[in-house]
Amino acid sequence: GESVGLHLPTLSVQEGDNSIINCAYSNSASDYFIWYKQESGKGPQFIIDIRSNMDKRQGQRVTVLLNKTVKHLSLQIAATQPGDSAVYFCAEKGTSGTYKYIFGTGTRLKVLA
Amino acid sequence: DTAVSQTPKYLVTQMGNDKSIKCEQNLGHDTMYWYKQDSKKFLKIMFSYNNKELIINETVPNRFSPKSPDKAHLNLHINSLELGDSAVYFCASRGTGASGANVLTFGAGSRLTVL
Repeated sequence: GESVGLHLPTLSVQEGDNSIINCAYSNSASDYFIWYKQESGKGPQFIIDIRSNMDKRQGQRVTVLLNKTVKHLSLQIAATQPGDSAVYFCAEKGTSGTYKYIFGTGTRLKVLA
Repeated sequence: DTAVSQTPKYLVTQMGNDKSIKCEQNLGHDTMYWYKQDSKKFLKIMFSYNNKELIINETVPNRFSPKSPDKAHLNLHINSLELGDSAVYFCASRGTGASGANVLTFGAGSRLTVL
């Protein structure tokens, strides 16, 4: 149903600074996690993923950190640019064999010039 | 050459009407999804089909009926539309990402407005 009572958190970052977007996931048995970026009027786009047997993965300007102990995922964006302004979602997939991907509530990133 | 394409992009209709949204993927994936995104940007899974078979059916009113004529297509038909059905509906397909695991590729969305 609707996300009643929930609001979209906003993170404002100065251009050139690093951004850290956090996500708490729900299922301790989830084995795969993805970060998505959604720009206005578009569908979510894949940024980076990580399996549960890893705690860190790096891409181009982005790093994902996974802390399974506290069920926490973070996305770090280095040298944030205006084009990084978007809503960011984490998604988790349950144990091997499941096809279900559950999305977090999302965080809006605003890059200030 | 769009990977996941949805039509229509915008749909405005009256309460009580029946409407359909179509989705096609040219990625060769076996699994497709429908997600609903509300006004607060919350993305909720609705259905999933794997090779034309329904594998996920969340608690969705039975006014919503997905149909998959083949593994490249997943359509969503909605009967007796209600105001609360207003949302953006996203189609996605599941394939292999760079890490070897399965990522979802999304379409651009279909914004449904029920008046």
